[in-house]
Amino acid sequence: DQQVKQNSPSLSVQEGRISILNCDYTNSMFDYFLWYKKYPAEGPTFLISISSIKDKNEDGRFTVFLNKSAKHLSLHIVPSQPGDSAVYFCAARGINTGGFKTIFGAGTRLFVKA
Amino acid sequence: DGGITQSPKYLFRKEGQNVTLSCEQNLNHDAMYWYRQDPGQGLRLIYYSQIVNDFQKGDIAEGYSVSREKKESFPLTVTSAQKNPTAFYLCASSKGEPYNEQFFGPGTRLTVL
Repeated sequence: DQQVKQNSPSLSVQEGRISILNCDYTNSMFDYFLWYKKYPAEGPTFLISISSIKDKNEDGRFTVFLNKSAKHLSLHIVPSQPGDSAVYFCAARGINTGGFKTIFGAGTRLFVKA
Repeated sequence: DGGITQSPKYLFRKEGQNVTLSCEQNLNHDAMYWYRQDPGQGLRLIYYSQIVNDFQKGDIAEGYSVSREKKESFPLTVTSAQKNPTAFYLCASSKGEPYNEQFFGPGTRLTVL
């Protein structure tokens, strides 16, 4: 049972354009969402997060949008740069595990073409 | 420099042997985690520990064991009972309060021959 789904395995975008990575979740108990970025043979690194009490959080070129009614969140990268090419994981946590247990999606591989 | 170290980066073992993966952190984090990543899949939680001498099973704990005798160390043993142990293993840590982001180590790729 995949509670966090990233339905696009890959995405290709031209440098300078917007990258939009999508994520859907099924568990209504999730109240905190995170995005991680991962390069090959390395551990993921934290990118940005959002609490369920918000619908938008912005950090530089990265913005995360949360639509609780649709159980959907998205990560926008503007403008996209070749160094953004990596796998992006959506993750979620819930109050029923004290916020420590994190459920990850399968990831979306982003290619930014120069 | 603070961070998480995992050793070794690549590990080969024969089928039927137990193997222990090392994870050390000097970030003074209370919580530590072990994940497994398989091709085309997200990170799946094996075990996590919120404080020293305490740990909980994650979603795929069968065939694995852990200990948390020290705050900075959270070793993972892959036992012979784990039916498909070949995978990329990631260790992470976070501050003790909930909802803090996790910091990941570089990972260990285990191949069982």
